[in-house]
Amino acid sequence: EPEVTQTPSHQVTQMGQEVILRCVPISNHLYFYWYRQILGQKVEFLVSFYNNEISEKSEIFDDQFSVERPDGSNFTLKIRSTKLEDSAMYFCASRRESDTQYFGPGTRLTVL
Amino acid sequence: DQQVKQNSPSLSVQEGRISILNCDYTNSMFDYFLWYKKYPAEGPTFLISISSIKDKNEDGRFTVFLNKSAKHLSLHIVPSQPGDSAVYFCAAPDNTDKLIFGTGTRLQVFP
Repeated sequence: EPEVTQTPSHQVTQMGQEVILRCVPISNHLYFYWYRQILGQKVEFLVSFYNNEISEKSEIFDDQFSVERPDGSNFTLKIRSTKLEDSAMYFCASRRESDTQYFGPGTRLTVL
Repeated sequence: DQQVKQNSPSLSVQEGRISILNCDYTNSMFDYFLWYKKYPAEGPTFLISISSIKDKNEDGRFTVFLNKSAKHLSLHIVPSQPGDSAVYFCAAPDNTDKLIFGTGTRLQVFP
């Protein structure tokens, strides 16, 4: 069964450094998302992406964040200058036409 | 603004019994609901969904009930198994299709 994959599973970085989180959505899916979950809190939406452009972004997704679909398979989330409060689990999700979004296993980002 | 609420942070059920997880929502425009199961250090796994045109959807041991007038849905797991122990999230896509999640209910199924 096809699934969303994410790399790396765990990323440790110093405050102020750039990180790139990678995702490979399910191959015939058209809509792509990033969510995050800070420890002990709910899963919250960051950004949605369709047809090679951002559809919607949350207040969290400020100008330090960017997304890209550089080729036909990868979907990346870049944080230009990480802050301590960016430490969280980051989940990529994708869907085709139905409303069901399928999630990857997540990347745990730890900012020191 | 908590549009999707799960008021029980945890639930403990004996193996073989029924688990009932509850979810309330405030946005009457929601027309589709999903339940996800999440193990520690893993991503949410889709479990079952229901459209607002239905009041029940069943898939094996999992049944979701929707009461639109009460803005309430519930997930029933019967019989419960130890492998069902996880955090369960209720979610709904809003009018821009992003998922709004509840805070989750941690289910523990003990032998």
